[in-house]
Amino acid sequence: GAVVSQHPSRVICKSGTSVKIECRSLDFQATTMFWYRQFPKQSLMLMATSNEGSKATYEQGVEKDKFLINHASLTLSTLTVTSAHPEDSSFYICSASPGQVYNEQFFGPGTRLTVL
Amino acid sequence: QQQVKQSPQSLIVQKGGISIINCAYENTAFDYFPWYQQFPGKGPALLIAIRPDVSEKKEGRFTISFNKSAKQFSLHIMDSQPGDSATYFCAASDGTSGSRLTFGEGTQLTVNP
Repeated sequence: GAVVSQHPSRVICKSGTSVKIECRSLDFQATTMFWYRQFPKQSLMLMATSNEGSKATYEQGVEKDKFLINHASLTLSTLTVTSAHPEDSSFYICSASPGQVYNEQFFGPGTRLTVL
Repeated sequence: QQQVKQSPQSLIVQKGGISIINCAYENTAFDYFPWYQQFPGKGPALLIAIRPDVSEKKEGRFTISFNKSAKQFSLHIMDSQPGDSATYFCAASDGTSGSRLTFGEGTQLTVNP
């Protein structure tokens, strides 16, 4: 149980284009989903927290107009990187919380974004 | 006050040895302390977690020790195996539904055969 998927696992795009990453909780309903960014050999950096049906809460320094988050249902959240630039290249990871047991968070496998 | 300090940054142990990773926190509102294991190119996987009402929790070869007064907790991996080689992250949250996790900096563990 508690499986979270992400799609795509890997994406390469040209500078200036937009990229959408999907995060799905496969066997539970996620009241809250989180989006993280991770650079090589570093810890996870929380970008935003989203609850189904409401606007995401972004961390300080994260541009909400650049990183669009939609939490359309209890099993799906999407992150769209708009007008991507090479500095946006990173490993993006989502997590989902069923909100039942002390904020247990289950992570997706991550999406490697490379912007050329 | 939101930080979680993790040490060491890297750790090398021999197969069969004990791996010990330590974390310290400041925020006394934290009451949920999970450990995550991450392999290269993969997302973190929940390994084991503890609440402060117990001082120790064991699951197989993995044990969390928790010292509430010192605001410290640690992960012990007994009989370490080469397959345990990964990056380990401690984390903490205040336990309320939807609350954020504060992560430590991570420890890269290498278990030599």
